[in-house]
Amino acid sequence: GIQVEQSPPDLILQEGANSTLRCNFSDSVNNLQWFHQNPWGQLINLFYIPSGTKQNGRLSATTVATERYSLLYISSSQTTDSGVYFCAVERDQGAQKLVFGQGTRLTINP
Amino acid sequence: GAGVSQSPSNKVTEKGKDVELRCDPISGHTALYWYRQSLGQGLEFLIYFQGNSAPDKSGLPSDRFSAERTGGSVSTLTIQRTQQEDSAVYLCASTGGPSRAYEQYFGPGTRLTVT
Repeated sequence: GIQVEQSPPDLILQEGANSTLRCNFSDSVNNLQWFHQNPWGQLINLFYIPSGTKQNGRLSATTVATERYSLLYISSSQTTDSGVYFCAVERDQGAQKLVFGQGTRLTINP
Repeated sequence: GAGVSQSPSNKVTEKGKDVELRCDPISGHTALYWYRQSLGQGLEFLIYFQGNSAPDKSGLPSDRFSAERTGGSVSTLTIQRTQQEDSAVYLCASTGGPSRAYEQYFGPGTRLTVT
């Protein structure tokens, strides 16, 4: 099956810093989503981005489908950005059985 | 609007007992998914329902796990004869809304602890 690798596994930054999280996947995909899992365990949708670039406030994401990677950018980090960021992909156009990476744990210190 | 809801939020059970976990998807969403998040395995797919079609059970780890979806809405995941390795957070997601057909929205999860 499809493999998803995220890097780095852990990232510790000071408030105000910028960060880039990477997601590599082993096959072409029809679905790619980025999620933020907050300290209470809730998975929050950030982006649905199988290709192209999207921006939402301080967050943006780019997926280069032909090269099988996606990047999540966080600018001017805040302590509330702390948590685990997951990339998840699916190959099929039918059943969207997401395959998740292992996540990047981001810690923003005040 | 209302998101995906799950109950109970926490469940502690003794090894060998049966448990039922409930998921209420977002109204109007046609597809419903169950995932499991555990320390050793990360987030993994369990089962998928789409409308009235037969469910895709390809992710269920053993025949002790089953799920049903009544009336195309609420779903129940049942684990029979629970084992300690079943301890995990069970997450439900739904999708299939009119404008975001593939974007999955997750509930808060049920944390299951088998003692």
